[in-house]
Amino acid sequence: EVHLLESGGGLVQPGGSLRLSCAASGFTFRDFAMCWVRQAPGKGLEWVSRLENDGRTTNHADSVKGRFTVSRDESKNTLFLHMNSLRDDDTAIYYCAKDGAAWSLDNWGPGTLVTVSS
Amino acid sequence: QSALTQPPSASGSPGQSVTISCTGTSSDVGGYNFVSWYQQHPGKAPQLIIYDVNKRPSGVPDRFSGSKSGNTASLTVSGLQVDDEADYYCASHAGNNKRVFGTGTMVTVL
Repeated sequence: EVHLLESGGGLVQPGGSLRLSCAASGFTFRDFAMCWVRQAPGKGLEWVSRLENDGRTTNHADSVKGRFTVSRDESKNTLFLHMNSLRDDDTAIYYCAKDGAAWSLDNWGPGTLVTVSS
Repeated sequence: QSALTQPPSASGSPGQSVTISCTGTSSDVGGYNFVSWYQQHPGKAPQLIIYDVNKRPSGVPDRFSGSKSGNTASLTVSGLQVDDEADYYCASHAGNNKRVFGTGTMVTVL
């Protein structure tokens, strides 16, 4: 059974940095691209970033480009989201999700809350 | 990349059907057959219910069906049940390995 578990969320001041982690199990992690999706309080889903299984090819939403980067550690089956220059509107629950067939996201973690506030 | 447009709400009585639309552009919904739908109960993570426009993952009841015409995709929930009350989001491939989600629809079972 696929299991994804995010961690690293918390309260950070505007302009600060934070690194989120997503521990994966139950599938061959190195074979799949992974994504980050966020959801601001009371709002809809927003795709944030994607990292190919090659560990190098990344794509980001325009709203985070240049501020967020994504990486993975195959030895630890872990996906990371490195967030810099955080803004108030980055406040959200951040989910990691596994790429599925036809560009779907077939498994999701429970999410971790990031609050950007002074 | 603008969010896909969904109606804010939809409702139906138990046993009835409800259809949710998801309107994009030729750069996303209309340009690819890569539309997926997600169900999200309050306080929970989203769950995939439809992918590739009209395919269901294992374990998803056939009461859920998807379709697409031009720039608009649709999700139909037939035989509404109380547990179907949730938020529903569409998503589409949007070129350059990017995705875009819909604005979300709250389904209420009356």
